[in-house]
Amino acid sequence: DAGITQSPRYKITETGRQVTLMCHQTWSHSYMFWYRQDLGHGLRLIYYSAAADITDKGEVPDGYVVSRSKTENFPLTLESATRSQTSVYFCASSERWEAQETQYFGPGTRLLVL
Amino acid sequence: GESVGLHLPTLSVQEGDNSIINCAYSNSASDYFIWYKQESGKGPQFIIDIRSNMDKRQGQRVTVLLNKTVKHLSLQIAATQPGDSAVYFCAENIPLPIYGGSQGNLIFGKGTKLSVKP
Repeated sequence: DAGITQSPRYKITETGRQVTLMCHQTWSHSYMFWYRQDLGHGLRLIYYSAAADITDKGEVPDGYVVSRSKTENFPLTLESATRSQTSVYFCASSERWEAQETQYFGPGTRLLVL
Repeated sequence: GESVGLHLPTLSVQEGDNSIINCAYSNSASDYFIWYKQESGKGPQFIIDIRSNMDKRQGQRVTVLLNKTVKHLSLQIAATQPGDSAVYFCAENIPLPIYGGSQGNLIFGKGTKLSVKP
């Protein structure tokens, strides 16, 4: 099944540029999440969304913007990319966000900011 | 610092042997724990989970043990295979009281790399 997809898979950009990472899920899950993964850190939550038009900040939201106009899409935008935003970004979704609910992850987007 | 961590950053085992990957957590309010497997170039994949009211749960070739007394979690992989080579990390769910505990913050550990020698 298609599940959850991310695009692009790889992106190189320059400092100051705007970059949008796309996330699409086919399960109609209510919740969607954006994480970044860096060496020396576990996955860190950037933003999450409980439903269309409902978003909230996670642990590291500075420098990022999200939107959720449709349930199946959850784009992440770096309005003015910085080198510290070089990372691997993972999108995830879950049907609910309860204590025993599994999150399903996309394949990731590897972003390099020069 | 992070509340979830791993004792060993790398683990090398012989094919067919059993593997044990450990994880320590510090938040006694955590009520749910998950182990993920992440292969190179891929997203994390759910392996097994356990609720805080349990101390052991078994899956196919995998067992998770939870010791709440010492805040320790372990993943045991039986008869390790080359396809098990990956980074494994644990995550703990810290419930948010304002939502009655039904929602929580998922905190991820840094991961242990498991290498299986044929």
